[in-house]
Amino acid sequence: QKEVEQDPGPLSVPEGAIVSLNCTYSNSAFQYFMWYRQYSRKGPELLMYTYSSGNKEDGRFTAQVDKSSKYISLFIRDSQPSDSATYLCAMRTSGSRLTFGEGTQLTVNP
Amino acid sequence: EAGVAQSPRYKIIEKRQSVAFWCNPISGHATLYWYQQILGQGPKLLIQFQNNGVVDDSQLPKDRFSAERLKGVDSTLKIQPAKLEDSAVYLCASSPRPYEQYFGPGTRLTVT
Repeated sequence: QKEVEQDPGPLSVPEGAIVSLNCTYSNSAFQYFMWYRQYSRKGPELLMYTYSSGNKEDGRFTAQVDKSSKYISLFIRDSQPSDSATYLCAMRTSGSRLTFGEGTQLTVNP
Repeated sequence: EAGVAQSPRYKIIEKRQSVAFWCNPISGHATLYWYQQILGQGPKLLIQFQNNGVVDDSQLPKDRFSAERLKGVDSTLKIQPAKLEDSAVYLCASSPRPYEQYFGPGTRLTVT
């Protein structure tokens, strides 16, 4: 079983839709949770960082962590064609390396 | 602020040949990482440097992969000899803090 599971998609939505991206994990020691965005032929770019459980909002993006369910989410409001990319969740314990999900490929259609 | 620089951007080699990748991290970032990203997968850490020292190389196939970081700045990753399964994008990242990694554009390696 993989430590981090992420639905690879692809996910296709119309412009303006609310997008929900999710990851589950098995290691209860994970404390730091991140979402990266990766455009085609580019390196990943950090979008959101959350420590422990709770919500964090940054503009159109909201990250949620539910440690009791070992489940994290990224919501994108008013999605734009420029949001079309692969979204990677990543997580780590206090002293460990980052463990990435496989990534979800998102396309926002104008 | 300049980002993480990597070269070359693309490389095609035959199996059993050797190849080297170069990375120049963001100025002042003490930590440098090399990741392997196989198509359709998330990045997998190969090696982490803190200044000149290796912090984590537990997932580096040491029989064929090697890496060094000169004077705590630039780094090179070498594969010798390459195998077909080494075809991937090799990403370099640097960070000022553990949760904040900045990635370069990557080197896309194709082994034929």
